[in-house]
Amino acid sequence: KAGVTQTPRYLIKTRGQQVTLSCSPISGHRSVSWYQQTPGQGLQFLFEYFSETQRNKGNFPGRFSGRQFSNSRSEMNVSTLELGDSALYLCASSSLGSTDTQYFGPGTRLTVL
Amino acid sequence: EDQVTQSPEALRLQEGESSSLNCSYTVSGLRGLFWYRQDPGKGPEFLFTLYSAGEEKEKERLKATLTKKESFLHITAPKPEDSATYLCAVQARNNNDMRFGAGTRLTVKP
Repeated sequence: KAGVTQTPRYLIKTRGQQVTLSCSPISGHRSVSWYQQTPGQGLQFLFEYFSETQRNKGNFPGRFSGRQFSNSRSEMNVSTLELGDSALYLCASSSLGSTDTQYFGPGTRLTVL
Repeated sequence: EDQVTQSPEALRLQEGESSSLNCSYTVSGLRGLFWYRQDPGKGPEFLFTLYSAGEEKEKERLKATLTKKESFLHITAPKPEDSATYLCAVQARNNNDMRFGAGTRLTVKP
């Protein structure tokens, strides 16, 4: 069974730009969660989508948004990028929802210059 | 507020030298406690899920245990390939998000 895939793996953007990251969950998994990982803050929860609906949201500004498609693939968008948005963005999928074990993708490394 | 504290921050062991990593947590009703391993530049790799105090799970050289306030990840006779950051996370019954600890960076020297 293929694992969680994320594209692109690396991105370099400049301040003020926007970016879209993509996540394809494990086949059959309907829940996708997004996390931001930085050396200073560790892993922080962004939001979770289940069956195309945002079910839970972390404490991040409205510049961070996401969506999920009918095939469970998910995208995350960050608008008006700031230097502090530089991080590893991780996507995790689970079958029954985030109450089940989450399996992570390799992440997208975003650098904001 | 749910909190997860991992100790030590970093641990250096000689190959074969067994030790334990600690994860202390406070949560309003535990749904599950998770252990992950993360290698540099990669996503966390799932290791174990524990649901109730007294539960234990094993996988190769790793054994995870759970009490009402903390979890331990015991590493028996570690090898250099066990070097990684080990992350602990908790999930509460009243919400769906996972709260992660800062991790323990383990280095095993040959």
